[in-house]
Amino acid sequence: KQEVTQIPAALSVPEGENLVLNCSFTDSAIYNLQWFRQDPGKGLTSLLLIQSSQREQTSGRLNASLDKSSGRSTLYIAASQPGDSATYLCAVRETSGSRLTFGEGTQLTVNP
Amino acid sequence: DAGITQSPRHKVTETGTPVTLRCHQTENHRYMYWYRQDPGHGLRLIHYSYGVKDTDKGEVSDGYSVSRSKTEDFLLTLESATSSQTSVYFCAIRLEGTHEQYFGPGTRLTVT
Repeated sequence: KQEVTQIPAALSVPEGENLVLNCSFTDSAIYNLQWFRQDPGKGLTSLLLIQSSQREQTSGRLNASLDKSSGRSTLYIAASQPGDSATYLCAVRETSGSRLTFGEGTQLTVNP
Repeated sequence: DAGITQSPRHKVTETGTPVTLRCHQTENHRYMYWYRQDPGHGLRLIHYSYGVKDTDKGEVSDGYSVSRSKTEDFLLTLESATSSQTSVYFCAIRLEGTHEQYFGPGTRLTVT
């Protein structure tokens, strides 16, 4: 059974800092990996999708990498801002099925 | 937001009553999903649909049923609500091709 782990569970940084959020998964046979952002009381917003054949994806200040063989993905946020404060979730889609398996997220606080 | 709406957005109901949550999408996506989100468990798949009248169970389907009589609507029914079904429920769609998922705003259900 696929398990997705996100460490740390919570992170607090000063504004302007570059930071890395980690996601690990136990079964490397994935179809793709998706990073989401969730603001308190809100739904999930898709940030980046990495297909299993890709190594990384970039969108603005965000860069996500994928290392299937080691079962890891990282989300790099450059020049963090208070507006980046949210919970960040990663999820993997397994090759054999259509379901996403989610990690429990990293709660990020960027302090002004 | 991929044109996804959920109704109601908030609901309080009593144990033993039936409850139906509605997910509506405007872009004719084939795949639709129902998740629940709980502290300590993250997001878990309840049921999903891959077309009109085509549905399948997720990992936490006990106590829930679904129906999809037309492409745009995916209904989640709790036949007899229990306190353990107090949760935030999210609907999602999946894009063809990339398999990227987009989520609705969520429904907060409280069963007293």
